[in-house]
Amino acid sequence: QKEVEQDPGPLSVPEGAIVSLNCTYSNSAFQYFMWYRQYSRKGPELLMYTYSSGNKEDGRFTAQVDKSSKYISLFIRDSQPSDSATYLCAMSEPGNNRLAFGKGNQVVVIP
Amino acid sequence: EAGVAQSPRYKIIEKRQSVAFWCNPISGHATLYWYQQILGQGPKLLIQFQNNGVVDDSQLPKDRFSAERLKGVDSTLKIQPAKLEDSAVYLCASSPATSGPYEQYFGPGTRLTVT
Repeated sequence: QKEVEQDPGPLSVPEGAIVSLNCTYSNSAFQYFMWYRQYSRKGPELLMYTYSSGNKEDGRFTAQVDKSSKYISLFIRDSQPSDSATYLCAMSEPGNNRLAFGKGNQVVVIP
Repeated sequence: EAGVAQSPRYKIIEKRQSVAFWCNPISGHATLYWYQQILGQGPKLLIQFQNNGVVDDSQLPKDRFSAERLKGVDSTLKIQPAKLEDSAVYLCASSPATSGPYEQYFGPGTRLTVT
């Protein structure tokens, strides 16, 4: 079983729709949860991070963590064509900066 | 502030050849990481340096991959000899010495194709 599972299926949505992405994990030691955005031929860039269960909002983005279910989600409200990218979840244990990534979801927002 | 620089951006080699990638981290960042990202997968950590010392190289295939970070700044990653399965994007990232895992800044990567 992989540490981090992220269904890599591509996702196409119309502009203005809500995008919902999720990851599951098996390592109970993970305490840091990140979402990265990766544009084509670029490196990943951090979107959001959290280390507690519950919701964290930043503008149109909401990160949700449920440690009891080992499940994290990212929601993008009012999606824009500029949100078209691959979204990667990543996790880490305390005191260890090794990031365990999911496979990523390619999101296409259609104008 | 300049970001993480990597070169070359693209490289095509034949199997069994050798190749080297170069990374220049963000100025002042003590920690440097090399990740391998195979098409359709998330990045996988190969090696982590703190200044010029290795912190974690548990996932580095040491029979063919090597990395060094001279003087605690720039780093090179070498593959010798290359295999077809080494085709991937090699990402370099850096972070300040005392930082959380979320403070890694990634470069644009080097796309390697092994034929």
